[in-house]
Amino acid sequence: KNQVEQSPQSLIILEGKNCTLQCNYTVSPFSNLRWYKQDTGRGPVSLTIMTFSENTKSNGRYTATLDADTKQSSLHITASQLSDSASYICVVSYNNNDMRFGAGTRLTVKP
Amino acid sequence: EAQVTQNPRYLITVTGKKLTVTCSQNMNHEYMSWYRQDPGLGLRQIYYSMNVEVTDKGDVPEGYKVSRKEKRNFPLILESPSPNQTSLYFCASSRGLVKGYEQYFGPGTRLTVT
Repeated sequence: KNQVEQSPQSLIILEGKNCTLQCNYTVSPFSNLRWYKQDTGRGPVSLTIMTFSENTKSNGRYTATLDADTKQSSLHITASQLSDSASYICVVSYNNNDMRFGAGTRLTVKP
Repeated sequence: EAQVTQNPRYLITVTGKKLTVTCSQNMNHEYMSWYRQDPGLGLRQIYYSMNVEVTDKGDVPEGYKVSRKEKRNFPLILESPSPNQTSLYFCASSRGLVKGYEQYFGPGTRLTVT
């Protein structure tokens, strides 16, 4: 069954600290993997998109990694800020036009 | 400004009263899609469209209809809304999915069916 599992479900960290969010998937055949940031009540905004051949991609303080062999991805946030408080969603595209969304990780950054 | 717009943003209606949520994009994207988001379940795809007059079911199409008569518009129709369709709805558009083109989401429509 094509699934995308994210962990942890929620995370609380102090401002300035780093954190890593995980995404494991079973979808096949893999096309690409996206990480989105979603502020409460708003639409998701793309952070990174990675294809099969890409291992790492950065967007400012956000760095995504992809291990296509183990079907795992991570999103690392460096020097967190209060504005990083949001849900982070992993989305895997497969079969050319299909997508599967993870349930998201809810990150809270406290001062 | 490149964007996806949805209307209305908030809607409270009663069971059985037909409604339409509009979605429009100004980026000339071929691919458009509708999602619903419920707590703990993440985003689930309702319908998608690869191009004008081409639509297909997503994971949760029951109780919904769509149409794609023009490239820029992709309305979501609830012929007879029920309380289990109370949710947050997002429209999205993209040049395509396979090559990793970015998908742009609208601001969301919060629907309550009583």
